[in-house]
Amino acid sequence: GIQVEQSPPDLILQEGANSTLRCNFSDSVNNLQWFHQNPWGQLINLFYIPSGTKQNGRLSATTVATERYSLLYISSSQTTDSGVYFCAVGLYNQGGKLIFGQGTELSVKP
Amino acid sequence: DTEVTQTPKHLVMGMTNKKSLKCEQHMGHRAMYWYKQKAKKPPELMFVYSYEKLSINESVPSRFSPECPNSSLLNLHLHALQPEDSALYLCASSQDVYDQPQHFGDGTRLSIL
Repeated sequence: GIQVEQSPPDLILQEGANSTLRCNFSDSVNNLQWFHQNPWGQLINLFYIPSGTKQNGRLSATTVATERYSLLYISSSQTTDSGVYFCAVGLYNQGGKLIFGQGTELSVKP
Repeated sequence: DTEVTQTPKHLVMGMTNKKSLKCEQHMGHRAMYWYKQKAKKPPELMFVYSYEKLSINESVPSRFSPECPNSSLLNLHLHALQPEDSALYLCASSQDVYDQPQHFGDGTRLSIL
């Protein structure tokens, strides 16, 4: 089946710093989503981005489908950005199943 | 995502109890999903319902029994669970299985004594 790898596994930042999280996947996909899971367990949609570039405030994401990777950029990080960031991919012929990467655990220090 | 509502938020039950988890969405979505998430791990798919019919069962033990009574509601019936079933149970929905993205509820944190 399709493999999803995220890097780095852990990241510690000082408030105000920028960061880039990476998601590699082993096959073509129809769906790619980035999520933030906060310390209370809520899984929050950040981007639906099977291809192209999107921006939402301090966050932006780029997916290069032909090269099978996606990047999530966090600028001017805040302590509330702490948590786990998941990339998840899906294929239409797998009936909507999302396959998650192992996540990047981000800790932003004040 | 608060458009998918899950109840209860927390549940503690014994191994002989029967309980149900509930998930509701009013976005007109026709695909609904159950995921299980253990601590420090990513969510893993359990079941998919498409147009109120079970379309995927990821070899989940029969002590977990899903039900989709209508297009807005998804239940997960629990019976004779084991301590290793303690986890966060997440519900999600999408327009249909071919029309993503998936929107997740806040989850039910389940503890089995």
